[in-house]
Amino acid sequence: GNSVTQMEGPVTLSEEAFLTINCTYTATGYPSLFWYVQYPGEGLQLLLKATKADDKGSNKGFEATYRKETTSFHLEKGSVQVSDSAVYFCALRETSGSRLTFGEGTQLTVNP
Amino acid sequence: GAGVSQSPSNKVTEKGKDVELRCDPISGHTALYWYRQSLGQGLEFLIYFQGNSAPDKSGLPSDRFSAERTGGSVSTLTIQRTQQEDSAVYLCASSLKGGNEQFFGPGTRLTVL
Repeated sequence: GNSVTQMEGPVTLSEEAFLTINCTYTATGYPSLFWYVQYPGEGLQLLLKATKADDKGSNKGFEATYRKETTSFHLEKGSVQVSDSAVYFCALRETSGSRLTFGEGTQLTVNP
Repeated sequence: GAGVSQSPSNKVTEKGKDVELRCDPISGHTALYWYRQSLGQGLEFLIYFQGNSAPDKSGLPSDRFSAERTGGSVSTLTIQRTQQEDSAVYLCASSLKGGNEQFFGPGTRLTVL
């Protein structure tokens, strides 16, 4: 079956540090890939997505590139802010499906 | 416009009781999903509705769990004879149709004592 594996957290960084959160997946076919973010006390929000190999999703300074050869979709940001503190979830959706399959989530804390 | 809403926001119940959780999707969204977020299991898919029918309910963990959707809008997730392992945050999401971006509600935190 499908699965998503994220790097274990929690991750603690200082403001303006570089962020990478690793995500790898197992799926049949060509899934769509997503990063969702959950800010403290709020619901899940879509951060970015990519629907085919070599696509790059980007939003709010975050980027992730769909790498089919390494089955990865790592999240990066060049300079994190305190306001980026949240839980980040990598997810996939099968080509023909509707359900999302999520990774375990990575708690990010950015200190001033 | 209004997003996905869920009620109650918190529910505390005793083991063995039945509970009903409600989801109001975004108006016009034909697809509706239930997920569960728990410490041990992460975020798990439970069931997917397209209109009033459920083409995928493979994520329901046992026959104590059921869900329905009426009028292509509101959905209710029912858990019968609750157990402590049912304690989790139950999330609802909706999308214009299956396969489109899913918008999530704030969740219902269920605690079974």
